[in-house]
Amino acid sequence: KAGVTQTPRYLIKTRGQQVTLSCSPISGHRSVSWYQQTPGQGLQFLFEYFSETQRNKGNFPGRFSGRQFSNSRSEMNVSTLELGDSALYLCASGGYTFGSGTRLTVV
Amino acid sequence: GENVEQHPSTLSVQEGDSAVIKCTYSDSASNYFPWYKQELGKRPQLIIDIRSNVGEKKDQRIAVTLNKTAKHFSLHITETQPEDSAVYFCAAVNQAGTALIFGKGTTLSVSS
Repeated sequence: KAGVTQTPRYLIKTRGQQVTLSCSPISGHRSVSWYQQTPGQGLQFLFEYFSETQRNKGNFPGRFSGRQFSNSRSEMNVSTLELGDSALYLCASGGYTFGSGTRLTVV
Repeated sequence: GENVEQHPSTLSVQEGDSAVIKCTYSDSASNYFPWYKQELGKRPQLIIDIRSNVGEKKDQRIAVTLNKTAKHFSLHITETQPEDSAVYFCAAVNQAGTALIFGKGTTLSVSS
């Protein structure tokens, strides 16, 4: 079966812009979690969705938001980008299987 | 909230030696502890996991032990090979079961 698909793989944005990342989980998985990975902070939990409902949210500012659609695909949005938002954004399907991530660079 | 401490941050071993990575967690309600291997530029991959009703689990050269009383768990890799070189992360599931809380990672280098 297909794995976890994240798009795009790479993204370069300017400070102040907004960005939307997408994650398609493994077929049948209803949970999608998002994580931010940086060299300094490691892997940090952003939020988790299950059947279109956000069940948990990490300690990130309100600029970080997400949603999940009825087909379980999920998007996360970051508004008013800051340089410190540069990171690898990973989604996990079914709680524990990661996609390849989206590398976001904010310049 | 839940916190996971991981040691050491770097570990260098000779091929064939054993490697041990240790983690402690703070939330006694955590009941699932996965370990991930992340090679450079790749996704974290689940390599082994353990649930709180089990004390030890082994899969070929990899084993994980869990001490619930002390709230620590460890990854053991025997007969290390150069392809074991990677960053290893331990994690604990939060009380709600909806998030993984990760350790800071251990960079393992296996030299031949």
